[in-house]
This record gives sequence, C-alpha cells and structure tokens, in this order.
Amino acid sequence: DAGVIQSPRHEVTEMGQEVTLRCKPISGHDYLFWYRQTMMRGLELLIYFNNNVPIDDSGMPEDRFSAKMPNASFSTLKIQPSEPRDSAVYFCATKLSGTEAFFGQGTRLTVV
Amino acid sequence: TQLLEQSPQFLSIQEGENLTVYCNSSSVFSSLQWYRQEPGEGPVLLVTVVTGGEVKKLKRLTFQFGDARKDSSLHITAAQPGDTGLYLCAGDRTGANNLFFGTGTRLTVIP
Repeated sequence: DAGVIQSPRHEVTEMGQEVTLRCKPISGHDYLFWYRQTMMRGLELLIYFNNNVPIDDSGMPEDRFSAKMPNASFSTLKIQPSEPRDSAVYFCATKLSGTEAFFGQGTRLTVV
Repeated sequence: TQLLEQSPQFLSIQEGENLTVYCNSSSVFSSLQWYRQEPGEGPVLLVTVVTGGEVKKLKRLTFQFGDARKDSSLHITAAQPGDTGLYLCAGDRTGANNLFFGTGTRLTVIP
C-alpha cells in the first residue's frame, strides 16, 4: 500500500479564497483524522471519521472549516473563506481500531 | 487546553549524551504512543504502551508508561545526530479512538 496520500503538498492562496485539501486513506482503515500543526499550538485534532461518519468535530475552529468523507477511499477538508491565521500544515491520518495511526506527508497551507 | 504536556519543549545535546523526555497528563489513557516527526514528514510511530508500569525498549530508546497510565517517559541512551527530530506522545483515551497529541519535544543532537 502507498500509505496515506494527501494532496496538494503545498498550497498558497489569497485571503478569502476557498481551499480544499484531499486525503486518500490506507485501504481498509476505518478511522480517518484531520490534524492541523503549527509551532504555537502543536498538533491539533480537527475532526475524525469512523466508517465515513463524522464522530467528533469539536476541534474544527470555525464554521469556515468543513470536512467530508463521501466514501471509504476519500476525504476532503475545506476552508471557505480562508484567512492568514489558517496557515499551517494539515495532516490526514488513518488507522484501524486499537492500532497505530499512519500519517500522510501533510499539506503546507499558506494564506497571504 | 492540552491534555498531554511534554517537557522539555526544546532540547539540544551533544552526541553521546543521554536524555529523558516526559509526557504528563491528568487524564487516564488506555494506551499511549510515541511518535517521531522529521521535517516535511508526518509523525511516525515508535512504540505503543498499554499496561501501567510497562517498559519497552527499542535499541537505544526506552519507553515507560506510568503505573496510573497518566504519564510516560522516553529515555535515549548515547544520542546520535540521527535521533534529531520532534518527539510526540499521543494518548488514546479509554473507549475512544481519537488520538490526542502532546505539545512535543524538539530534540537536536549536535555531532
């Protein structure tokens, strides 16, 4: 398996624009997590899914953030409209229940 | 509010020295994991500890889970430049599958 695949690796966008980050989980993994990492706040859990259903979105910072998992092989994290303070590295991670989490390489988002 | 606090936040040592990194919480975890993250990459699992008081060794790395399953430590013996990276602890709370990550310890080993 190729592991967790995230795209794009880097994204630079202007304030106010819509940004969509994508994640392809490891086949068979039933949990999918979106994290945001910054120097100030470390690695923060935004939302996670189990069997494509959102379980806990309490970490999503604002209504500008939304996440979907339309099927077992794809998830998106959307920010609309984006703001400079959203600049961070966004990670997707997947796992099976009770096992380790495998992370993608992340998307480095810069909002100018 | 961080569920897991790590200390120290930054650590810079000479090659060959020993070090210990701590991960503390007021919450009980069913398991605790340690990850290492290198620049431009996602965190990679080093070890999982599940039993209170458990000690696991991975070459020069020794991991311990506290008796009450609220804290953990990572000890590195004879650190090498290849050990440089961000070390993260992550807790899996009982009955849940969402991982909470610690604040991280950024280790630099100087040749």
